[in-house]
Amino acid sequence: EAGVAQSPRYKIIEKRQSVAFWCNPISGHATLYWYQQILGQGPKLLIQFQNNGVVDDSQLPKDRFSAERLKGVDSTLKIQPAKLEDSAVYLCASSLGGGPSFNEQFFGPGTRLTVL
Amino acid sequence: AQSVSQHNHHVILSEAASLELGCNYSYGGTVNLFWYVQYPGQHLQLLLKYFSGDPLVKGIKGFEAEFIKSKFSFNLRKPSVQWSDTAEYFCAVILHGSSNTGKLIFGQGTTLQVKP
Repeated sequence: EAGVAQSPRYKIIEKRQSVAFWCNPISGHATLYWYQQILGQGPKLLIQFQNNGVVDDSQLPKDRFSAERLKGVDSTLKIQPAKLEDSAVYLCASSLGGGPSFNEQFFGPGTRLTVL
Repeated sequence: AQSVSQHNHHVILSEAASLELGCNYSYGGTVNLFWYVQYPGQHLQLLLKYFSGDPLVKGIKGFEAEFIKSKFSFNLRKPSVQWSDTAEYFCAVILHGSSNTGKLIFGQGTTLQVKP
């Protein structure tokens, strides 16, 4: 079974530039998550989609971050403009969704963003 | 505030030593509990999970964890570590019946270094 795919794996930009990350979840997984993992910390949920609808975006800095999952499959996360504190690994995860038995999340390799 | 705490930030052990990593959460309702591991250069992967039933759960690679509801704890154990267990370990929880329903909340992680 193919895992969660993410691209690019690494990205270096200057502050105030924009950047986009792409995620393709495991086939058939209805729920997709974007996490931010700052060095030395655990991942923090940014946004959760159920199919193409947003379930939770309470911790997404909406003045600069946006995400979409238009067809309910792959997703993009965008930062515009980037700040130094956005340097982190951005993780995508997916799960089948539904009841408690399907809450196991599978993670992609992440995109390491460095903002200079 | 609802949170997950991992007691040890950095643990150094010799091969064959026993391991116990502490994890506590602050929430009085129903929880699902997870331990994830991130080996150097690899993505997050699930070690073990607790949803219900036997509070002693066994995961991959000889790891186990015990859910003690009265102590709000889910400590990870392994009787004899190997050099290949060197990795970062994250405890995570899903809280049910609260505003965080369905969202994985991670601890800050514990870096385990096993000396050969």
